[in-house]
Amino acid sequence: DTGVSQNPRHKITKRGQNVTFRCDPISEHNRLYWYRQTLGQGPEFLTYFQNEAQLEKSRLLSDRFSAERPKGSFSTLEIQRTEQGDSAMYLCASSSARLAGDRTDTQYFGPGTRLTVL
Amino acid sequence: KQEVTQIPAALSVPEGENLVLNCSFTDSAIYNLQWFRQDPGKGLTSLLLIQSSQREQTSGRLNASLDKSSGRSTLYIAASQPGDSATYLCAVPTSGSARQLTFGSGTQLTVLP
Repeated sequence: DTGVSQNPRHKITKRGQNVTFRCDPISEHNRLYWYRQTLGQGPEFLTYFQNEAQLEKSRLLSDRFSAERPKGSFSTLEIQRTEQGDSAMYLCASSSARLAGDRTDTQYFGPGTRLTVL
Repeated sequence: KQEVTQIPAALSVPEGENLVLNCSFTDSAIYNLQWFRQDPGKGLTSLLLIQSSQREQTSGRLNASLDKSSGRSTLYIAASQPGDSATYLCAVPTSGSARQLTFGSGTQLTVLP
């Protein structure tokens, strides 16, 4: 399977604990995105990487959230001191841009990691 | 600020019916619009991407149209099937951003056999 993969698929944690999610994009996709989706809503943008550089961050990404893409391949999203309001589906997407300013690329989404904070 | 609205929020139709899903956006300065499908508890599947220079895109039984000036897009599904049951989301680039997408809340479609 050459699609976007995410691990774990489900995570249940207690309030105050730290959690880390992993995203493996489609091979050779240079752009990677994180979104958060709550029940009944569309996804909300969190952050975007082009290769290893984190180029955009949403105001939703508080200082408890940090994302990395150290080698321009897989990415991790860490949430520190989780709160009940962090319960959501965390989606990762990737895309391939031939040129730096390319705006025509389609984002391909992974299956998501569902986080439940008790 | 870009805002995306999808109407209706839910739709139930008998199998075989043709149907139209609507999407409207407030900032018409977009360079593309995407339609996605999401099955319960799953990720998103890209259905169609329409560039701003295009008015329509077709894929199988799906046809998406884009009217930038009026801030509207429609997704037409012909001869609906129970397997089409899912939530359909549209997304446009966020105002002032190079890469962010702003999504609507989706239309939950149920096709009854």
